[in-house]
Amino acid sequence: SQQGEEDPQALSIQEGENATMNCSYKTSINNLQWYRQNSGRGLVHLILIRSNEREKHSGRLRVTLDTSKKSSSLLITASRAADTASYFCATDEVIGNQFYFGTGTSLTVIP
Amino acid sequence: DTAVSQTPKYLVTQMGNDKSIKCEQNLGHDTMYWYKQDSKKFLKIMFSYNNKELIINETVPNRFSPKSPDKAHLNLHINSLELGDSAVYFCASSQAWRGSTDTQYFGPGTRLTVL
Repeated sequence: SQQGEEDPQALSIQEGENATMNCSYKTSINNLQWYRQNSGRGLVHLILIRSNEREKHSGRLRVTLDTSKKSSSLLITASRAADTASYFCATDEVIGNQFYFGTGTSLTVIP
Repeated sequence: DTAVSQTPKYLVTQMGNDKSIKCEQNLGHDTMYWYKQDSKKFLKIMFSYNNKELIINETVPNRFSPKSPDKAHLNLHINSLELGDSAVYFCASSQAWRGSTDTQYFGPGTRLTVL
């Protein structure tokens, strides 16, 4: 299955530290997106990176994409307690045009 | 003025029953989706409709039947509920069907518990 796998499954850090989570996928993609899910809520879109881009920034978020390694990373700088949530990558397939979510990383930021 | 809304938020029912979950979006989007999120948080697409037409139909038991009366609504009807159907079901919408190019907006989820 194309479903992305995220690493680590769970991450616990102190407020102010940076958090890095990784996503690996299996086939060629058009784009990769990152979403955030607070406990008991729906997913919220964070950022999209296209397959021809290597890095993208949005506020305290930095996303990288390495298509040769079929992997992406999400860096959250200067983390806050409010960043506590699960983070999912989402990829599509060039062939088939399907859309898959990763397994998610559960981030806990301790105040 | 919720963008994507689902009802009910919680649904507890007995095995064998038939139930429906409703979804509405007021964003003017053309495409709507249903996802299932299991207890391990795996999120899997079930269906996608673009302008009321089915465009994705993943391997889902035919007990699940989506219905789109208009492009602002995508309801999910489930027949003969089974224990394994217990999960959180999310509705989502996007402006148009362009694979993953469009941002998807998610509803708050419906937690279905089958006893």
